[in-house]
Amino acid sequence: GQQLNQSPQSMFIQEGEDVSMNCTSSSIFNTWLWYKQDPGEGPVLLIALYKAGELTSNGRLTAQFGITRKDSFLNISASIPSDVGIYFCAGRILDSNYQLIWGAGTKLIIKP
Amino acid sequence: GAVVSQHPSRVICKSGTSVKIECRSLDFQATTMFWYRQFPKQSLMLMATSNEGSKATYEQGVEKDKFLINHASLTLSTLTVTSAHPEDSSFYICSAQGTSAYNEQFFGPGTRLTVL
Repeated sequence: GQQLNQSPQSMFIQEGEDVSMNCTSSSIFNTWLWYKQDPGEGPVLLIALYKAGELTSNGRLTAQFGITRKDSFLNISASIPSDVGIYFCAGRILDSNYQLIWGAGTKLIIKP
Repeated sequence: GAVVSQHPSRVICKSGTSVKIECRSLDFQATTMFWYRQFPKQSLMLMATSNEGSKATYEQGVEKDKFLINHASLTLSTLTVTSAHPEDSSFYICSAQGTSAYNEQFFGPGTRLTVL
């Protein structure tokens, strides 16, 4: 099936540092979504992107829809302890149905 | 907005019993609901997609007679795990998708199923 390559798999950072993660695919997407999942909870939608080149912010989070339509990145500025969790990218392929294709997740760990 | 609830949050049952999980969209109408399964340290695996009033569409490898899905209204979908076995133990998560401002998948908090 279709695959999204999400990296890095995990990140160990200091509080206050900026974080960057990305997702790439060989297919063209018309939607990129970024979710965060806390342990034992369902994913929460952070940012939705619908146009190539689109740059959208949600507080300290910023995500961009790559110009090639095959990638997206998520940045978190000035990380704080509550940012820990697993971040998933998800996308919808151009001309596909409504199903989402999911990345494997990036686990963010903040060192005390 | 876009609140989705799931009930129960945790369930422990004996092998051979059936378990029903409810998914409700509380503040919007969900034209489509999705059921996912998630194993530890893995991403979400789509099991099935259901539209209100229609039969669910199951992903390849998911037994429709094992995982019964009912989407009887625009705010409620249920997943019944029939004759549950230990290998069915997992974290089950639903998502709901509506229209306009709710035209993406919003997830419930998940249900942890443990089959003894």
